[in-house]
Amino acid sequence: KAGVTQTPRYLIKTRGQQVTLSCSPISGHRSVSWYQQTPGQGLQFLFEYFSETQRNKGNFPGRFSGRQFSNSRSEMNVSTLELGDSALYLCASSTTSGGAVETQYFGPGTRLLVL
Amino acid sequence: GDSVTQMEGPVTLSEEAFLTINCTYTATGYPSLFWYVQYPGEGLQLLLKATKADDKGSNKGFEATYRKETTSFHLEKGSVQVSDSAVYFCARFDNYGQNFVFGPGTRLSVLP
Repeated sequence: KAGVTQTPRYLIKTRGQQVTLSCSPISGHRSVSWYQQTPGQGLQFLFEYFSETQRNKGNFPGRFSGRQFSNSRSEMNVSTLELGDSALYLCASSTTSGGAVETQYFGPGTRLLVL
Repeated sequence: GDSVTQMEGPVTLSEEAFLTINCTYTATGYPSLFWYVQYPGEGLQLLLKATKADDKGSNKGFEATYRKETTSFHLEKGSVQVSDSAVYFCARFDNYGQNFVFGPGTRLSVLP
């Protein structure tokens, strides 16, 4: 099976712009989670989607949003970018049992630099 | 809230040395526990996992045992290689929040 893919791998944006990142999960996985990784804060959970519904959300401002499509692909959007949004954004798709997440498999990440 | 604590790095070892990276967790109930590894410029890779007390996860020479009595999941390897140089993350699955909680990561450098 192909692994989790994320596009683009690298992005440079300026303050105030918006950005959309894409994630294609492993075939058959219905749960997709997003994380932000920075040197100072480590790995922080953004949100999780299952069957096109956001089930869980971390402690991030409303500028961070996401969605999931019927084929389980997911996108996350960050509006009005700030310098502090520069980070590696990781997507993870999960095996589930009865809807509950079991194991997460990560993509290579999208590195976002905000100037 | 629930958390994962790891020993602070960086950890620097010579090739063929014994490795231990400590991990302890707080949790309500009995979470599943994981070790992930992140090589430079890459995402996280699942290294091993354990889903219940006394389970031992193992992969690529790495091992970790789920110790409920000490709420620990320490990572060990008998003989490290230069290629093991990476950042290692301990994680637990939060059954209530339905998300993963990660430790801060421990950077390992193995010198030839």
